[in-house]
Amino acid sequence: KNQVEQSPQSLIILEGKNCTLQCNYTVSPFSNLRWYKQDTGRGPVSLTIMTFSENTKSNGRYTATLDADTKQSSLHITASQLSDSASYICVVFRSGGYQKVTFGTGTKLQVIP
Amino acid sequence: GAVVSQHPSRVICKSGTSVKIECRSLDFQATTMFWYRQFPKQSLMLMATSNEGSKATYEQGVEKDKFLINHASLTLSTLTVTSAHPEDSSFYICSARDRGNPFNEQFFGPGTRLTVL
Repeated sequence: KNQVEQSPQSLIILEGKNCTLQCNYTVSPFSNLRWYKQDTGRGPVSLTIMTFSENTKSNGRYTATLDADTKQSSLHITASQLSDSASYICVVFRSGGYQKVTFGTGTKLQVIP
Repeated sequence: GAVVSQHPSRVICKSGTSVKIECRSLDFQATTMFWYRQFPKQSLMLMATSNEGSKATYEQGVEKDKFLINHASLTLSTLTVTSAHPEDSSFYICSARDRGNPFNEQFFGPGTRLTVL
């Protein structure tokens, strides 16, 4: 069964601190993995896209890693800001003629002053 | 670039009425658009895939006669919730696939909050 599990479910950190969000997947065949940020009441916005051959990719204060062997990914946020408060969703795309998408349940991050 | 808009952003309607939600790709052509539904504290659930010029493909458990999808052009798809009931109240999000993007990137709209009284 194609699944994407994220941990922790929710997280509260102090402004300025770093944090790491985890994503484990069982999706096959794998095409690519993306991390999205979803503000409350808004649509998701893409942060990173990672293909099978990529191990690390950064986008500003966001750094994503991918281990295709263990089917794990992480999103590291450096020097958190209040505006980072949002849900972070790990999404895995399957390859094939009809590209299917499996969404993780998300990690709700709250950054407090 | 790659902006997707939705209209309306919020709608409140009476039970039994129909509601139409528009999804537009503003600066790119989208041969495929997707419609999702998101309940509170849950992740997005794919409802249907909409291909320009052809019938939409619905996910298992989604009633095609209740959720009518029309993808009339490369920049517009509409979702009509027919005879809406309170259990249809949800956050509806569309996404559009940029056919010019090598990763088949999907760009999401801002969502439409539907409340059925």
